[in-house]
Amino acid sequence: QSVLTQPPSVSAAPGQKVTMSCSGSSSNIGNKDVCWYQQFPGTVPKLLIYDNNKRPSGIPDRFSGSKSGTSATLDITGLQTGDEADYYCIAWDSSLSGAVFGGGTKLTVL
Amino acid sequence: EVHLVESGGGLVQPGESLRLSCAASGFTLSDYYIDWVRQAPGKGLEWVGRSRNRAKSFTTDYAASVKGRFTISRDHSKNSLYLQMNSLKIEDTAMYYCARRYGGYDYWGQGALVTVSS
Repeated sequence: QSVLTQPPSVSAAPGQKVTMSCSGSSSNIGNKDVCWYQQFPGTVPKLLIYDNNKRPSGIPDRFSGSKSGTSATLDITGLQTGDEADYYCIAWDSSLSGAVFGGGTKLTVL
Repeated sequence: EVHLVESGGGLVQPGESLRLSCAASGFTLSDYYIDWVRQAPGKGLEWVGRSRNRAKSFTTDYAASVKGRFTISRDHSKNSLYLQMNSLKIEDTAMYYCARRYGGYDYWGQGALVTVSS
């Protein structure tokens, strides 16, 4: 059971928007920055969002992140079949003195 | 160009030890935090530990699941970082990644597979 809670799966049609949630507590998301990663099967995770809402160079602006209180959200607009992947959130947890990942959300583009 | 290359994975029995290496190129390792992240077969990502940079005196932190068994160290002359894994358990079976932290994990190694089985 992960410290950060993500829905196991989400789905949406091509071209639509999907929102993924990552719920934590005051010891992690509530006081620390959140990152989001995309992982295709058999590949290394890729950084999508850091510091809650910043995109690394090369990440399309279809991907956006936000944080409110003890929850973070990853939005993907203009969904493409190529976006089908697992998505993970992560934040530092000051109580655990360690980073914690969410369990991951599998995105299906119908 | 930045690269991280893990090595040292393999098959070991429960209770045995293994040391993973993470060789860095294209940047100075001592300037960055480096984390270890693992992924058991068919499972999600799990944070294993962190080695901070020179500015933070290379301090380390570990996940509760490995604390006291795993140790992260650096060899600055080799621009490399190591994960010493002792008293390995079956549940330590996973792909182990080293990742450079700059904002987020901006560069990852390709991973080293560790299998713990009797």
